[in-house]
Amino acid sequence: NAGVTQTPKFQVLKTGQSMTLQCAQDMNHEYMSWYRQDPGMGLRLIHYSVGAGITDQGEVPNGYNVSRSTTEDFPLRLLSAAPSQTSVYFCASSYGDSNTEAFFGQGTRLTVV
Amino acid sequence: GENVEQHPSTLSVQEGDSAVIKCTYSDSASNYFPWYKQELGKRPQLIIDIRSNVGEKKDQRIAVTLNKTAKHFSLHITETQPEDSAVYFCAGSNDYKLSFGAGTTVTVRA
Repeated sequence: NAGVTQTPKFQVLKTGQSMTLQCAQDMNHEYMSWYRQDPGMGLRLIHYSVGAGITDQGEVPNGYNVSRSTTEDFPLRLLSAAPSQTSVYFCASSYGDSNTEAFFGQGTRLTVV
Repeated sequence: GENVEQHPSTLSVQEGDSAVIKCTYSDSASNYFPWYKQELGKRPQLIIDIRSNVGEKKDQRIAVTLNKTAKHFSLHITETQPEDSAVYFCAGSNDYKLSFGAGTTVTVRA
C-alpha cells in the first residue's frame, strides 16, 4: 500500500513551458485535491475532485488544469508556466469528501525560471 | 469561501511547557476542523481533528477545542518535547473544500 505518490519530486521549467504533475493513490479514495504551498501562506487549494469524471476549482485555479479519468489518478497540468507558479505542490486524497483525513503525497518542488 | 486565520505565526517554548495555537474561521457551514503537523521537508500529516458537534477532543498530550458560536478553535500541546518542533496548520472544511491557515512554526527549546 503506497498511499499517495507524486512525480516528479523536483522540476525546473522555463517560462512558457507546460508540464504535468502526476498523482496516484491506491487507497480507493473518492476525493482528491491539489494544493500549492508558499512561505507564509499555508496550503492553498488549486483544484479538487469528488470522484472520477468530476472536478472543480479551488481557491487559486488560474493557470492550472486537472482531469480525473480514473479513481486512482489526478494529474495537474500547468498550461504555460510563469515564475509566480514557483512553489511546492502537494496532492492529497481522502475517503468520501474533504471532511475526513487527507493523506498527502511527498510533494513536488517546482521552479519556473 | 472559507477564510482561516491562524495565530501566532511563530512560537518558541521551553521543553516541558505548553503551546497553544489559535485559529478563526469565517464560513458557518464549515463542520470539520483538522490539525496537521509538517516537519521540515516532509508532507503534512494529521495529528488530531474535531467535528462541529464536539466541543473538545484530547489525544495524549494534544487537545483541540472548538467554539462554534465564536468561530474559533485551538490546539493545545502539553509537556512539549523536542520532537514537537514543526510547522502546525489548522484547517476548516465544508464537505468539499479544505482551507488551511498560514501555519505556526513551533520551536521547542531544550
